Formats: sequence, structure tokens, C-alpha cells
Amino acid sequence: SQKIEQNSEALNIQEGKTATLTCNYTNYSPAYLQWYRQDPGRGPVFLLLIRENEKEKRKERLKVTFDTTLKQSLFHITASQPADSATYLCALVVTGGGNKLTFGTGTQLKVEL
Amino acid sequence: DTGVSQDPRHKITKRGQNVTFRCDPISEHNRLYWYRQTLGQGPEFLTYFQNEAQLEKSRLLSDRFSAERPKGSFSTLEIQRTEQGDSAMYLCASSQSNLRGGGGYTFGSGTRLTVV
Repeated sequence: SQKIEQNSEALNIQEGKTATLTCNYTNYSPAYLQWYRQDPGRGPVFLLLIRENEKEKRKERLKVTFDTTLKQSLFHITASQPADSATYLCALVVTGGGNKLTFGTGTQLKVEL
Repeated sequence: DTGVSQDPRHKITKRGQNVTFRCDPISEHNRLYWYRQTLGQGPEFLTYFQNEAQLEKSRLLSDRFSAERPKGSFSTLEIQRTEQGDSAMYLCASSQSNLRGGGGYTFGSGTRLTVV
């Protein structure tokens, strides 16, 4: 069966450290993968997109890697801040699927002072 | 354009009643999506439109659910004969189809439905 797995346990880190979140998928051949941030009671907010032929993408303090052999994406936030505390969702898009996103369950990140 | 708007933000209804939600997407976006999200889960796809055409509907979607996008602008999602299991956050998102790779979705803040 198809699955997108993210760490279900919350990730607690200290301010200034690098947070690393994992997204593993099974039985998908994604054209590309996206990461979103979601705050309580709000809709997800788009952060980054990475295509199947790309290994790494960066945007300010964010970095995403994509390994289609391991079927895994890693999402890094460097120099983390308390304001980065949120739930982070990965989502896949399969070619020909109308750009329909299929989401993982999300990982809650808490950055402590 | 201030983004994707959803109305109402909250809805409490009695089991068996019908409810309708509205979504106003970003005006330049021709694709519109509906998702449902329950606590601790990621958003689950319900249906999507390109302009006014409904191109895909989730197999998990009950016949009690119907969505429209009559003029390719705003969309409505109706749930008939609501059940307690319909309680969730209903999210609308829009995107532009001519972006290579699709780009990111822009989500609204959602409608929180509680069926009592």
C-alpha cells in the first residue's frame, strides 16, 4: 500500500540548533515533493518544492534534500528560532495527477529557548 | 487579492442537517482543491477543479458530499445529512496550472465543522 511517513513524535530542540525532519514514502513515484508549515487552527503554508531530478534545494534558513533511491526527503531548519515552532507537512505530487498533493501526517516541531 | 478565503470559519450543526461551505480562491488561479483534515492527521484530498470542471473526486468521498465551481471562480462544498464522523477542518486551496512542476498551493484558513 502507499504510505507517506513522518515522525509522529514531536521534535523538541534548543534555539540556535538545526532541526531535521524526515519524510519517507512507499509505493509512490513522485514527480516532486513539497514541504508546508501549519500553525494550529490555520491552513498549511507552502515552504519549498523539490523535483525528482533535484538533490537539494535551499531557501534562507531552510534546506530540503530528496533521495529517490532511499525514497526519502529531509527538511532542515538551521539556526532555529521559537517562531519556527509549528507542524511541518511533506506532500507528494505524482505525474498526471492534476498536481494533487498527498500529505504525510506531519511532524510537530518545538524550538525552546 | 488577499489570498484564499473560506467562509464560515466555524460551523456547528446537528446531525442530519445539511451544511455548505464557500471558498474564494486567488483570482489568477485556475485550479481549486478541497481537503479535509482531522486532528493529528495531514490534509486528505476530497476533490479538485480546473476552471469550472470537476476533474477528480476521491473514492473515499461519500455521495453525501458535493462540490461545485459554477463559473470557475468561487467554489462551494455541501455535505448532506451530516454525521458525527464529518467533524473536521475543511480546507480549500488554489494553484495555477501553468507553473512548471505546479508550484505550491495557497491554502485558506479552513472551515471547522463540528457535528453534534
